[in-house]
Amino acid sequence: NAGVMQNPRHLVRRRGQEARLRCSPMKGHSHVYWYRQLPEEGLKFMVYLQKENIIDESGMPKERFSAEFPKEGPSILRIQQVVRGDSAAYFCASSAEVVLTDTQYFGPGTRLTVL
Amino acid sequence: QKEVEQDPGPLSVPEGAIVSLNCTYSNSAFQYFMWYRQYSRKGPELLMYTYSSGNKEDGRFTAQVDKSSKYISLFIRDSQPSDSATYLCAMGKSRGAQKLVFGQGTRLTINP
Repeated sequence: NAGVMQNPRHLVRRRGQEARLRCSPMKGHSHVYWYRQLPEEGLKFMVYLQKENIIDESGMPKERFSAEFPKEGPSILRIQQVVRGDSAAYFCASSAEVVLTDTQYFGPGTRLTVL
Repeated sequence: QKEVEQDPGPLSVPEGAIVSLNCTYSNSAFQYFMWYRQYSRKGPELLMYTYSSGNKEDGRFTAQVDKSSKYISLFIRDSQPSDSATYLCAMGKSRGAQKLVFGQGTRLTINP
């Protein structure tokens, strides 16, 4: 059973470009979470999605950032017009539908570098 | 004030030592407590999960929660070099799918 998959593992963008980060949850998982980790800091929650729905986006910056989890395909975190401060590791986690099983399993992360 | 405070270390101990890692929190709404281990350049992996005050043991690892003091700990017995990693505490407010609030992480090195 494959774990949470994220790609690309490393992404380099110049200021002003767009970054697209992909996350495929574990098989059977329908909840996806995105977290950001700045150097020497813990993980900060960004957004929680279920299929075709954004459940909680309280951690998402108001501008330039968006996320989706379509009916088919991976979840996408999109960052438009990237700036140097967006350089960080972005982690995706997934959990199962069952209410009493809320363990979040993390992917290996995408390391975004903005030049 | 951060909702979750964790001493970032770094912490360096000899092999075989008992390690104590700690987090404090300010929001009494947190009811579920987790410890994750993160190796360099990898994603976090869940070590321990608990939701009640008291101790929970799993092999060489013991998680301790004191809700009255808003304080949680992770103890590692007979520490091994392979335990060298960053340890992150995480907390949630409700059962079921939810966002987690993480501490800053403590970088631990076990010296052979």
